[in-house]
Amino acid sequence: DARVTQTPRHKVTEMGQEVTMRCQPILGHNTVFWYRQTMMQGLELLAYFRNRAPLDDSGMPKDRFSAEMPDATLATLKIQPSEPRDSAVYFCASGLSGTVSEQYFGPGTRLTVT
Amino acid sequence: GENVEQHPSTLSVQEGDSAVIKCTYSDSASNYFPWYKQELGKRPQLIIDIRSNVGEKKDQRIAVTLNKTAKHFSLHITETQPEDSAVYFCAASYGNKLVFGAGTILRVKS
Repeated sequence: DARVTQTPRHKVTEMGQEVTMRCQPILGHNTVFWYRQTMMQGLELLAYFRNRAPLDDSGMPKDRFSAEMPDATLATLKIQPSEPRDSAVYFCASGLSGTVSEQYFGPGTRLTVT
Repeated sequence: GENVEQHPSTLSVQEGDSAVIKCTYSDSASNYFPWYKQELGKRPQLIIDIRSNVGEKKDQRIAVTLNKTAKHFSLHITETQPEDSAVYFCAASYGNKLVFGAGTILRVKS
């Protein structure tokens, strides 16, 4: 049963520190999405990639967030410097491009910035 | 703009009753409408989806209906069970991405 994996599952850090979250999409999937989930904002799309190329990162605060896909099996989301308002669960999802199709979510990274 | 509205925000039903969650979308070009179930502390999981060339789709106790003219779609759960308790999210496609509704907390009382 192929699944999206994410590391770390939990991260507690102090304000100002760099945070890196990693995602391994399902093998063969060529689209990757990063979402942030908070109680107030629901599921927000931060950025997404197709064939490792960024298609849209308009949902991301550009000054502190960056997203990359170094290779087809790894996507990263970095926050530098982190702030308390970044505390949330960050989900990665993957799918197949073409027409819009199913997205499969990873287990998420719960980030707490103190 | 890209917008998906979902109602109700919370829904309590008695075990065995039906539950209906409704969503509306804004872009007539949207052509894919998935529903996700998220249990506490878990990942959202796709439970059913429908494309714009279909008006209704059913999978055991869950069904989704789509009204393209009115730009709304609904999730129907029949014979609800306590394990159906979760947060349900609808979504609509906008270009290459999905925009999610705010979610519905469903509680099934036994």
